[in-house]
Amino acid sequence: EIVLTQSPATLSLSPGERATLSCRASQRVSSDLVWYQQKPGQAPRLLIYDTYNRAPGIPARFSGSGSGTDFTLTISSLEPEDFAVYYCQQRSNWPSLTFGGGTKVEIK
Amino acid sequence: QLQESGPGLVKPSETLSLICIVSGVSTSSSGYYWGWIRQPPGKGLEWIGSIYYSGTTYYNPSLKSRVTISADTSKNQFSLQLSSVTAADAALYYCARQPPRRCSGGSCYPFDYWGQGTLVTVSS
Repeated sequence: EIVLTQSPATLSLSPGERATLSCRASQRVSSDLVWYQQKPGQAPRLLIYDTYNRAPGIPARFSGSGSGTDFTLTISSLEPEDFAVYYCQQRSNWPSLTFGGGTKVEIK
Repeated sequence: QLQESGPGLVKPSETLSLICIVSGVSTSSSGYYWGWIRQPPGKGLEWIGSIYYSGTTYYNPSLKSRVTISADTSKNQFSLQLSSVTAADAALYYCARQPPRRCSGGSCYPFDYWGQGTLVTVSS
């Protein structure tokens, strides 16, 4: 099983700051790397798929990058609605699919 | 839209059964997967399994011996059964859609629409 490790577990930032979230895989994965945002009491929301493709309706301040074992979600300038938990997910070795443990972006 | 339905309380050792009612798109739409994901309270996400539009199923290896996912295209819904439940199976259970998208390596299948989730408690 491919294990995804997200860091940091918690990121304390202020609105307007840049957020950089890391997702590291235990072995090389394909570009099939996905990012979700989850707010309290809500289902996860698709943000980024295929490492860097934004889902429809996702603002341009969200961007994804990476390859191999290291992937990054960047939020260029945090808006108040961006404070949430973010999960990465891979499907490289289908039919196995795994999620990372999540990074919480909280208001500093 | 996707909407989970099922008992919120299941006894230990019994079988958890949930249904996901789908509207707006057919569960037999070519190339689609339909998945189940769970989330224990305060914890992260765990993929349970997915069913392809053709009926082929794929399960998390750690749950495979206890999971059955099936679809009823006439009712436009798919279901989850998890047998021999324990307290560790208590979670918020989500169903989600996985349509095919053009990606670098061919097609990829992110979870793009999710149900609101249904909380399942395991207790006698």
